[in-house]
Amino acid sequence: DIQMTQSPSSLSASVGDRVTITCRASQDIRNVLSWYQQKPGKAPKRLIYAASTLQSGIPSRFSGSGSGTEFTLTISSLQPEDFAAYYCLQHNTYPRTFGQGTKVEIK
Amino acid sequence: EVQLVESGGGSVQPGGSLRLSCAASGFIFNDPYMNWVRQAPGKGLEWIGLIRDKGGRYTTEYAASVRGRFTISRDDSKNLLFLQMDSLKIEDTAVYYCTTDSRGSPDYWGQGTLVTVSS
Repeated sequence: DIQMTQSPSSLSASVGDRVTITCRASQDIRNVLSWYQQKPGKAPKRLIYAASTLQSGIPSRFSGSGSGTEFTLTISSLQPEDFAAYYCLQHNTYPRTFGQGTKVEIK
Repeated sequence: EVQLVESGGGSVQPGGSLRLSCAASGFIFNDPYMNWVRQAPGKGLEWIGLIRDKGGRYTTEYAASVRGRFTISRDDSKNLLFLQMDSLKIEDTAVYYCTTDSRGSPDYWGQGTLVTVSS
C-alpha cells in the first residue's frame, strides 16, 4: 500500500498567516492527490483535486502544488473559518490512502 | 442538491454483523463510483472501499483492514448504497461516511453514521 506522510501533525497560526502543509507519498502517484478540510463534528469537504485544481466554491486563498511524491497545500492568508483538520488522499492506486491529518489551531 | 444520508449504525458485539445504507438524491445515482470512508473516534480518515458503476460491472475495491469481512453493494433502481459488515472487531468502531466519487476522488459526503463495537 502507498503510505502518505503528512506534516506537520499540528500547527498553531494566527489569522492572516501563510500556512503550508506537506504530504509525501511512499511512491510516485503522479498528480493523483486530493486535499480535504474537516471541521469538528462535520463531514470532510474536498478543497483540491488533481493536486492543484481548486474545487468549485473554494476560496482562492487555498492552493495545491506538487507531483510525484511531494505535495503541498497552502493557505495564503489564514481566516478564522480555516481552523480545522486537513487531510491529503492519494487515489492513484488501490487501496486509496489518506495522510494522518494536520490540525490547524489558533495561536 | 446532492444529498447522502447514511443509516443503520448502532451498537454491536465483537463478531457480530451490521448493514449500513446510504440513500442518495439530487444526482444520477447510477453514474458515479461510490465510496465508504470511516473515522474512528478522535482519529483520522480511513478509506475502506469503493464500488464502480454498471459500466465498471459493479466491481469493488477494499482496504486490507476490511477485505473479506466487509462487502459493498448498490441498488441503482432505489438510489441506495450498502455496506455489509461481518465479523466486526472493536477496532471497527467509527463514524462511517458514504461519498460520491468525481474527478477520481470522494466528492460529496453524507453526515455519517456511528458504529460501536463493544462487549
